[in-house]
Amino acid sequence: KAGVTQTPRYLIKTRGQQVTLSCSPISGHRSVSWYQQTPGQGLQFLFEYFSETQRNKGNFPGRFSGRQFSNSRSEMNVSTLELGDSALYLCASSLVGAGLTDTQYFGPGTRLTVL
Amino acid sequence: QKEVEQNSGPLSVPEGAIASLNCTYSDRVSQSFFWYRQYSGKSPELIMSIYSNGDKEDGRFTAQLNKASQYVSLLIRDSQPSDSATYLCAVNDYDYKLSFGAGTTVTVRA
Repeated sequence: KAGVTQTPRYLIKTRGQQVTLSCSPISGHRSVSWYQQTPGQGLQFLFEYFSETQRNKGNFPGRFSGRQFSNSRSEMNVSTLELGDSALYLCASSLVGAGLTDTQYFGPGTRLTVL
Repeated sequence: QKEVEQNSGPLSVPEGAIASLNCTYSDRVSQSFFWYRQYSGKSPELIMSIYSNGDKEDGRFTAQLNKASQYVSLLIRDSQPSDSATYLCAVNDYDYKLSFGAGTTVTVRA
C-alpha cells in the first residue's frame, strides 16, 4: 500500500508570496492532519480534516488555511509568506483521526524556504 | 494547553547498550501514546503505540505506560548505530490531533 505523498518536496518563495502544498493520504484513510516543524518550535499542529470538514485547528494565524477534497486529498495554503514560515510542513493521515487505536502516518514533508 | 515533556538529551550510548527515553504529559484524559523516530532531514516514522498501562514489546523496543504517573517511556535494547535519530513522544487525546514533545536525540557510539 502506498504511503502518504506530498508535493512538492521543496519550495523556495519570497516574502509576500503565497504557496499551496498538497497531500495525498494512504488509500482508505479519511483523516488528514498538517503539522509545521521548525528547529525552535518542534512539531506544531496546524489543522485536521475529515470528510472535507475541519475538526480542529492549531494556534496559527489566518494566513494558514487548508481544505480537503471528496477523495480525502488535502491542500494547505499559506498567504503573505513571512521569513518565519520557513519550515518542514508535514502531512499525516489516519483512518478516522479519532479513537484509541487510530494512528497517524506521516508523509515525507515539504521543505519551504522563504527568502 | 496540553504539554508533553521529554528528557532533553542528547543521549549518547555505546553500541549494544540500552537507551532509555522518558516522556511525561500534562493532560489526564490522554489515552493514546506514540513513539516516532525521525532521522535527520526525514519525516517521523512510527515505532510504537501504546494504550494500556504496562509494557509493550516489539523487537528491540519496549514502551512502558503509567497513566497514574502520566508517564510513558521507550527502551531501546542492544542499541545499534542505525538507532541514532531523534525520538518523538506524541499524545492523542481525542481532539483529532497529536501533541508532540520536543524530541530526544540519541547517538549510538560504535
